[in-house]
Amino acid sequence: QVHLIESGGGAVQPGGSLRLLCEASGFNFNDHAMHWARQAPGKGLEWVAVITYDGSKTYYSDAVRGRFSLARDDSKNSLSLEMNSLRPEDTAIYYCAKGRDVVVTVGTMDSWGQGTLVTVSS
Amino acid sequence: QSALAQPRSVSGSPGQSISISCTGTSTDFAIYNYVSWYQQHPGKAPRLLIYDVFNRPSGVPDRFSGSKSGHTAALTISGLQPEDDADYYCCSYAANSWVFGGGTKVTVL
Repeated sequence: QVHLIESGGGAVQPGGSLRLLCEASGFNFNDHAMHWARQAPGKGLEWVAVITYDGSKTYYSDAVRGRFSLARDDSKNSLSLEMNSLRPEDTAIYYCAKGRDVVVTVGTMDSWGQGTLVTVSS
Repeated sequence: QSALAQPRSVSGSPGQSISISCTGTSTDFAIYNYVSWYQQHPGKAPRLLIYDVFNRPSGVPDRFSGSKSGHTAALTISGLQPEDDADYYCCSYAANSWVFGGGTKVTVL
């Protein structure tokens, strides 16, 4: 059974930084692309970033490109999201999600963690 | 990364069938068959219902079905159940990015 547990959320001032962590279990972590998505309070889902199964490529949404950085540590079955220059509009629940297909990046996210809340406010 | 358009709300009585549309304006949406659908109950993580337009993961009831024609995809719930009262999101892959629809609130009357 797939388990994804996010941590690292909290309150931060505009312009600040935060690092989120996702710990995975229940599947071959190094075979799957991994995503982050977010959901602002009372709003819809928004895709944030993806890292390929081998960590060779990362892709970001226009809203976070240049400010967020995604990395994976296959030895620890973990995923991290470094968030810099945070803005109030980055306030959201951040979810870690597993790419459904083995090796292939395209396709959907099939399992999601419970999320961690990030609040950016002065 | 254009958003996908969904109706804000759809309602139906138990046992009825409803459909939720998801319209994309980009050529990528029409070309790629990587449309998925998620269900989300309040305070919970999204749950995958449909992937690659019409495929259901194991454990998803067969009353949920997906389709796509041109620039519009659809999720149909046949035989609506009280537990189907939730938010539903479509999602599509396009050129190394993913985009979600704005979400549809389904109310079971």
